[in-house]
Amino acid sequence: RKEVEQDPGPFNVPEGATVAFNCTYSNSASQSFFWYRQDCRKEPKLLMSVYSSGNEDGRFTAQLNRASQYISLLIRDSKLSDSATYLCVVTGGATNKLIFGTGTLLAVQP
Amino acid sequence: GAGVSQTPSNKVTEKGKYVELRCDPISGHTALYWYRQSLGQGPEFLIYFQGTGAADDSGLPNDRFFAVRPEGSVSTLKIQRTERGDSAVYLCASSPQGFYNEQFFGPGTRLTVL
Repeated sequence: RKEVEQDPGPFNVPEGATVAFNCTYSNSASQSFFWYRQDCRKEPKLLMSVYSSGNEDGRFTAQLNRASQYISLLIRDSKLSDSATYLCVVTGGATNKLIFGTGTLLAVQP
Repeated sequence: GAGVSQTPSNKVTEKGKYVELRCDPISGHTALYWYRQSLGQGPEFLIYFQGTGAADDSGLPNDRFFAVRPEGSVSTLKIQRTERGDSAVYLCASSPQGFYNEQFFGPGTRLTVL
């Protein structure tokens, strides 16, 4: 079983739609949680950190449920520019290495 | 300011050859990470440097892989006797310190082993 599991998609949604991504992680000792965005043939870039209290950045809302070991990302009012792969990431061990899920591909259609 | 840079951007080699991949981190960043990303997968951790020393090399797949960071800045990932399965994008990331800091990724080196 992979340490971080995500639905690979693709998610095809129309502009303006609300879309939700979920992921689960297996190591209950993980300390930090993130969503990264990766455009085609580009490097991953941090989208947002995820906290138990939930956090929001504009159209993006992230949530962490430590008891269920579950992380979510909600994107409201989808834009064409949101089309990318969204990577669920947790930290592992004492050295803060990032453990990535396989990513979920989002395609926003005009 | 300048981000993380990696050279070469693309490398094509033949099975059995030796390759070196270079990473220049953001100036002043003490932590440096190497990851490998295969097609359709998320990046996979290889090795972490704090300063000049490898603090965690648990992700290196076998002894054909080795990395150095002799002066605590530039790092080189070295792969001996390359195999077709080594084909992937090799990503380097740096952060100001090792713990709980955002990691900034370079554009990667796309390695193809024929």
